[in-house]
Amino acid sequence: EDQVTQSPEALRLQEGESSSLNCSYTVSGLRGLFWYRQDPGKGPEFLFTLYSAGEEKEKERLKATLTKKESFLHITAPKPEDSATYLCAAGGAQGAQKLVFGQGTRLTINP
Amino acid sequence: NAGVTQTPKFRVLKTGQSMTLLCAQDMNHEYMYWYRQDPGMGLRLIHYSVGEGTTAKGEVPDGYNVSRLKKQNFLLGLESAAPSQTSVYFCASRLGGQETQYFGPGTRLLVL
Repeated sequence: EDQVTQSPEALRLQEGESSSLNCSYTVSGLRGLFWYRQDPGKGPEFLFTLYSAGEEKEKERLKATLTKKESFLHITAPKPEDSATYLCAAGGAQGAQKLVFGQGTRLTINP
Repeated sequence: NAGVTQTPKFRVLKTGQSMTLLCAQDMNHEYMYWYRQDPGMGLRLIHYSVGEGTTAKGEVPDGYNVSRLKKQNFLLGLESAAPSQTSVYFCASRLGGQETQYFGPGTRLLVL
């Protein structure tokens, strides 16, 4: 069965303190690994799609990387506006229309 | 482009009542999805559609029905609401040939 696990559940950082969020996945025939940002009371907002091990993508202070078993979302010198829940999802070859989501990491950046 | 929109934003139902949630997208996407999000459970797929007139069951379909009569709309129905259906419901869509799903703002449903 396809599975996605995110850690930690919650993370508090000081403004400017860099860190990484982890997403471990067990998916047969990975079609894509997705990162979303979700603000309270809002829908998930698309950030990145990664397709193969070794791939990296960047957007402002965020960089997503992918290995054969994990993905990391690196946050460099975060600001308070980066506070949100970050969701990871994986799409596999089986159940071709379904994304499996992790439970999310709630990130808080203190000024 | 409005993207993916959902109606209503919030609703309170009594047990046994019925309602329909509407999802609309203006991106000409073939695929549409309904998810529910519960604390500690992540997003779970209820039903999905690969095109106008077609629907299929997802991970947690019991108690829900769907219809896709027009390409741009995907309706989620609750025939007899139960407290276990209290949740936040999200609609998503994607273009055929691409994997990324784009989400709506959500509908908060409280069943008393």
